[in-house]
Amino acid sequence: GENVEQHPSTLSVQEGDSAVIKCTYSDSASNYFPWYKQELGKRPQLIIDIRSNVGEKKDQRIAVTLNKTAKHFSLHITETQPEDSAVYFCAASDSGAGSYQLTFGKGTKLSVIP
Amino acid sequence: DAGVIQSPRHEVTEMGQEVTLRCKPISGHDYLFWYRQTMMRGLELLIYFNNNVPIDDSGMPEDRFSAKMPNASFSTLKIQPSEPRDSAVYFCASSSGTGTEKLFFGSGTQLSVL
Repeated sequence: GENVEQHPSTLSVQEGDSAVIKCTYSDSASNYFPWYKQELGKRPQLIIDIRSNVGEKKDQRIAVTLNKTAKHFSLHITETQPEDSAVYFCAASDSGAGSYQLTFGKGTKLSVIP
Repeated sequence: DAGVIQSPRHEVTEMGQEVTLRCKPISGHDYLFWYRQTMMRGLELLIYFNNNVPIDDSGMPEDRFSAKMPNASFSTLKIQPSEPRDSAVYFCASSSGTGTEKLFFGSGTQLSVL
């Protein structure tokens, strides 16, 4: 089955700086890579996703890049703000198999210091 | 739509007792997932259903865990008998499965087994 590794487990940045979280996956058949944000005590919520036919996707201050050859993908947050503080989870799935089963990384706790 | 609804929000029980967690997915969503979240293991998929049929229960840790989906608007996750190591946050999530794998999570049930 799929295995997703996520680094770092914790990340502290100054407000205004950029943050980068990296994930690697093991199953070359995986073709869908979402990122979820979980604020303290809240539910995970999708913030951005990318499919394997695209190398990069942006949405305002967040962007995701994908390197299929190396089997890794990254989340980039620019101009960080205190409200970006949360746990971020990457995930991977092989939707082509029709399973819609996501395997999550263990999460990165991001702290944005004002 | 009110989103995915889980109950109870918090459950405290004693070891050996039966625990039943409940979930109402978003109307029209064909997929329902049960996840368990712990600090050590992150978000683990326990089981998921497609059109009320269990598709993959390989994540269910032991025979003490069982899940049902009697109709499109209701699912239960039961633990009998419960053990302290079952303490975790249990999330239910649903997705439409129609070309998008975006998961909508419920608020979760914080389970504490004493």
